[in-house]
Amino acid sequence: AQSVTQLDSQVPVFEEAPVELRCNYSSSVSVYLFWYVQYPNQGLQLLLKYLSGSTLVESINGFEAEFNKSQTSFHLRKPSVHISDTAEYFCAVRRLTGGGNKLTFGTGTQLKVEL
Amino acid sequence: GAVVSQHPSRVICKSGTSVKIECRSLDFQATTMFWYRQFPKKSLMLMATSNEGSKATYEQGVEKDKFLINHASLTLSTLTVTSAHPEDSSFYICSASDPASTDTQYFGPGTRLTVL
Repeated sequence: AQSVTQLDSQVPVFEEAPVELRCNYSSSVSVYLFWYVQYPNQGLQLLLKYLSGSTLVESINGFEAEFNKSQTSFHLRKPSVHISDTAEYFCAVRRLTGGGNKLTFGTGTQLKVEL
Repeated sequence: GAVVSQHPSRVICKSGTSVKIECRSLDFQATTMFWYRQFPKKSLMLMATSNEGSKATYEQGVEKDKFLINHASLTLSTLTVTSAHPEDSSFYICSASDPASTDTQYFGPGTRLTVL
């Protein structure tokens, strides 16, 4: 079975400051990794994903995440946040094979960007 | 990215009635769709996996007779909450798996169900 840990339930940060949202996972098999973002009263939107290749993946709105296999981490970072980045962020993993394509989610991190 | 829609976005119903929620993949065919439930300030709880043309697979603890799932086509899955009760009030979110994108799950906008 897989598990995902997001240690920070809330991260307050000032606008234009950098931010890192932590994600660690546990799995006995190889996994794909995802970050989803959820704005209030909305569904989840895929932010970025790691499937293979370069361990550093980027989104179109300035976020990036780096897959670190030795530390079993997939932390999300942004060098300068904006008010509009305020949302809930979920890290998730999925087995490469088998498992029925099910996602295992972390408990989420609320990013609150303040002026 | 791929687009998934849900209808309705919000529904209020009386206790004892049934409510149907639709989930559609708009620009791709999804052989697999998923239904989640989300409680306030909590993560998503997978309820069931819906496969086109076959019976849904329910997660442990989810009542299959209460939450009826039908995946009649490659672009449509429905969740029917039967004999709804106030404790069924929640945010229900579906996702569709895009086989052209290594089965990445794309999520619908969610349906807020309130049972009075």
